[in-house]
Amino acid sequence: GQNIDQPTEMTATEGAIVQINCTYQTSGFNGLFWYQQHAGEAPTFLSYNVLDGLEEKGRFSSFLSRSKGYSYLLLKELQMKDSASYLCAVLDSNYQLIWGAGTKLIIKP
Amino acid sequence: DAGVIQSPRHEVTEMGQEVTLRCKPISGHDYLFWYRQTMMRGLELLIYFNNNVPIDDSGMPEDRFSAKMPNASFSTLKIQPSEPRDSAVYFCASSLFADYYNEQFFGPGTRLTVL
Repeated sequence: GQNIDQPTEMTATEGAIVQINCTYQTSGFNGLFWYQQHAGEAPTFLSYNVLDGLEEKGRFSSFLSRSKGYSYLLLKELQMKDSASYLCAVLDSNYQLIWGAGTKLIIKP
Repeated sequence: DAGVIQSPRHEVTEMGQEVTLRCKPISGHDYLFWYRQTMMRGLELLIYFNNNVPIDDSGMPEDRFSAKMPNASFSTLKIQPSEPRDSAVYFCASSLFADYYNEQFFGPGTRLTVL
């Protein structure tokens, strides 16, 4: 079966750094996405990785290791507005997006 | 572009009633996706269309659910009859592609409550 695992909830302090992990087991791999979803709102695209390595985009970075079936999203200089759920999604061999359950990130002052 | 548009934003109905959710994708996007999101099950893909043609409806929970896309700028998701367990947020999303870098743009969602 296809499976994506993320921690259910994480807590971090404003100004700090947090790493949200995602492990996956899917039938094939054509890329991994991270989306951000604020409470009561729609998911919005954050990043896309298809090759191994780190992709940096401002305060957010995403890492991928295809051999390990592993990715993480790194958020630096945390701000209160970063409180949200972060969804990991993998594009499988049929180009179907398989979604993780999401990680709720709570930022404390 | 105004982004993906969904209506209504909120719907409260009684069990047994018919519910119709509407979506207007971003102009030029060839793919349209219908999702359902609940606390228990997370984000679930119900069905997606390519150039107005349904490609995969394996996520549609049962025959009570149906979706149509009569043209490139409009799609509906219908539930008949509705049941309390259908209560969820229903998102419509569209994308230019369905492979590789297929960033999906989500609408604001319809929050459905079935009493």
